[in-house]
Amino acid sequence: NAGVTQTPKFRILKIGQSMTLQCTQDMNHNYMYWYRQDPGMGLKLIYYSVGAGITDKGEVPNGYNVSRSTTEDFPLRLELAAPSQTSVYFCASSYSLAGSYEQYFGPGTRLTVT
Amino acid sequence: GQNIDQPTEMTATEGAIVQINCTYQTSGFNGLFWYQQHAGEAPTFLSYNVLDGLEEKGRFSSFLSRSKGYSYLLLKELQMKDSASYLCAVMDSNYQLIWGAGTKLIIKP
Repeated sequence: NAGVTQTPKFRILKIGQSMTLQCTQDMNHNYMYWYRQDPGMGLKLIYYSVGAGITDKGEVPNGYNVSRSTTEDFPLRLELAAPSQTSVYFCASSYSLAGSYEQYFGPGTRLTVT
Repeated sequence: GQNIDQPTEMTATEGAIVQINCTYQTSGFNGLFWYQQHAGEAPTFLSYNVLDGLEEKGRFSSFLSRSKGYSYLLLKELQMKDSASYLCAVMDSNYQLIWGAGTKLIIKP
């Protein structure tokens, strides 16, 4: 099992450009998440999904969009990139929302917006 | 508001024991997680507590007191590979994880 994979690993964007961060998991997990991690701060939830076709906003959704057409894939779209979106983005998945079910994380995408 | 507090950085010696504390104030409580994150890598799961008390897993133990809003992660027989950040996260009433900023643990020989 590859687990959770993310592409690209690194990206530099100019202000106003758009891009899609890809995330795929092969564990047949229904629950998937997008987080951003800024230096000195905790992970912040951007969006999450409880299954194909169902997504919901997290704590910091502004400037982002998601879709979930299959169980495996959960891409994150950045429209009109801004310097405030410079961060490390992690995708994660879990078997269940509640209980002791851990979240499995992808390796992350390091994004710089200049 | 929701808040998770952890020390920013701790230093310990190889072979010793270290305790990393976490205090929390959240809207609801559905369990507390500890994750390990090596520099430049993804977080990986260490432990889960939902009831008061101590959970032991090899060299790592985690303690929870719900009435005090307090948890700690205890690492024994420290090894150089334990140098990492340790993240405390609480699952709130909406089953979303609220994360602390993490504690960077530096192990010295």
